[in-house]
Amino acid sequence: DAKTTQPTSMDCAEGRAANLPCNHSTISGNEYVYWYRQIHSQGPQYIIHGLKNNETNEMASLIITEDRKSSTLILPHATLRDTAVYYCISPGGFGTGTLLAVQP
Amino acid sequence: ETGVTQSPTHLIKTRGQQVTLRCSSQSGHNTVSWYQQALGQGPQFIFQYYREEENGRGNFPPRFSGLQFPNYSSELNVNALELDDSALYLCASSHSTGLQETQYFGPGTRLLVL
Repeated sequence: DAKTTQPTSMDCAEGRAANLPCNHSTISGNEYVYWYRQIHSQGPQYIIHGLKNNETNEMASLIITEDRKSSTLILPHATLRDTAVYYCISPGGFGTGTLLAVQP
Repeated sequence: ETGVTQSPTHLIKTRGQQVTLRCSSQSGHNTVSWYQQALGQGPQFIFQYYREEENGRGNFPPRFSGLQFPNYSSELNVNALELDDSALYLCASSHSTGLQETQYFGPGTRLLVL
């Protein structure tokens, strides 16, 4: 199963874009990349997923590199409520995620 | 709110006891997956149930077992509790099988084993 690697933590100023990277170099051609986030002590929340093309929804944008070895989740205007652990997952399951701290 | 509910919210047990955790899936979903999340770690896949049958299992011993009912609700049972079983237990429902399906998580049950 594919594994993902993410930075342990990142900071972002409120109102600025948050760009969260994920490396998934072993992902297979037909495997989606999913992003979830988990706010403290709650269940993970689905954000977005993609296969090859860039995707956008009301929460975020997902940019996938052409070789599909990595992707970036973009929160265009981060708010304090976006402080959470962000998980990039593949069929290999959840890693330890990135703790995004949005600063006022 | 995902529509996935779990009970109880918190539970304290002692080593060697047995515990049953419950999950009601989101309307229209026929698949339930269970995860264990230790403090500071990502969720670890325990198993998945589809139409009342186990449909995949992670690296967990047989003392972790489950059931799915005709209404697609589910139970996670853990026998002979150990201290390391202390964790947040999450269930997630989805339209169909496979970890590539979008999963909708409940709020979790926090289990403490003393």
